[in-house]
Amino acid sequence: TQLLEQSPQFLSIQEGENLTVYCNSSSVFSSLQWYRQEPGEGPVLLVTVVTGGEVKKLKRLTFQFGDARKDSSLHITAAQPGDTGLYLCAAPNWGAGNMLTFGGGTRLMVKP
Amino acid sequence: GAVVSQHPSWVICKSGTSVKIECRSLDFQATTMFWYRQFPKQSLMLMATSNEGSKATYEQGVEKDKFLINHASLTLSTLTVTSAHPEDSSFYICSASKHSTNEKLFFGSGTQLSVL
Repeated sequence: TQLLEQSPQFLSIQEGENLTVYCNSSSVFSSLQWYRQEPGEGPVLLVTVVTGGEVKKLKRLTFQFGDARKDSSLHITAAQPGDTGLYLCAAPNWGAGNMLTFGGGTRLMVKP
Repeated sequence: GAVVSQHPSWVICKSGTSVKIECRSLDFQATTMFWYRQFPKQSLMLMATSNEGSKATYEQGVEKDKFLINHASLTLSTLTVTSAHPEDSSFYICSASKHSTNEKLFFGSGTQLSVL
């Protein structure tokens, strides 16, 4: 079983601050996904990273895949209250098609 | 983009009753659907893989007789929580993809189950 460890578990910051969320594993992944989930809703895919060292930007969000494809990070610049939510990293299980294993999640609260 | 519809959005039931949750792929055929459970403030835990036309594959620790999965068509999978108890109260989410490998997953909006 591949394990994904996310840190921190909880993060409460003021509007305008920057933050980074980490997703780490001892396993190598073919790809890694980041999702954002709001209460009472299903997770929404933000990005998929595939290549080691890859960096993708989505407005104020920057996603990076580690060179060895074992870890990833999500950096948010100038956080806004609308960024509040549960951020999940997920990776496909080897040999199991598109079955995903999720990290424990990072619950972000951005205070105005 | 592809849409996965999940119903109901929330359900309250008495202990001992059974509850059926539906997951439909609205504009594509899904040979595989996944069912997840999520407890408050926790991440998603995979319960089972639903395969069209065959038996579901359950993750370790998930009782197949309690969580009945039926995937009778390429657009519908159902999860039935039988003889529900308060500890079954949780947020249940399904996901589906168009193909079995290397394909983006689309998630339903989830079902909040509360067992009294």
